[in-house]
Amino acid sequence: GENVEQHPSTLSVQEGDSAVIKCTYSDSASNYFPWYKQELGKGPQLIIDIRSNVGEKKDQRIAVTLNKTAKHFSLHITETQPEDSAVYFCAAISGGGGSNYKLTFGKGTLLTVNP
Amino acid sequence: NAGVTQTPKFRILKIGQSMTLQCTQDMNHNYMYWYRQDPGMGLKLIYYSVGAGITDKGEVPNGYNVSRSTTEDFPLRLELAAPSQTSVYFCASSWSSGRARGQETQYFGPGTRLLVL
Repeated sequence: GENVEQHPSTLSVQEGDSAVIKCTYSDSASNYFPWYKQELGKGPQLIIDIRSNVGEKKDQRIAVTLNKTAKHFSLHITETQPEDSAVYFCAAISGGGGSNYKLTFGKGTLLTVNP
Repeated sequence: NAGVTQTPKFRILKIGQSMTLQCTQDMNHNYMYWYRQDPGMGLKLIYYSVGAGITDKGEVPNGYNVSRSTTEDFPLRLELAAPSQTSVYFCASSWSSGRARGQETQYFGPGTRLLVL
């Protein structure tokens, strides 16, 4: 099955700096890579996703890049703000071939933005 | 819309007890999921359902059961609680036309924190 590795596990930045979280995946057939943000005491919420036919996608201060050859994708947050502090999860689709497609999540990155 | 709601928010169980975690969604989504989240371990899929009357195992189904009698509800049953089932449980739902092949946004509930002692 799919295996998703996420780094770093914790990340502390100063307000206004950029933050980068990286993930690698094992299944070369994976073609969908979402990022979820989880605030304290809440469920995860989708913030951005990318499909395998695209190398980069941006949405205001967040962007995701995908390198299919190297099987890794990254989340970039620019001009970080204290409200960006949360746990971020990457994920990759797995399955298919007659079975239903399911998400495999990384272990998460705790991002702390210091004022 | 309330989205995905889960009850209870927190529960303490004794070893061997049973309980049902409730999950309801009001978005008319056909797909529903149960995940567990352990500290530093991400989200692991327990069971999922692609529609009423259809359920299937995920990555970590042992010790759990599910049913899907309606589109809205997807309860998770623990029959003999064990300390290893101490975790935070999240229910999620999504709408799939079947063409997107899993590339649909999943909407998560607020979670149920379970402690088994």
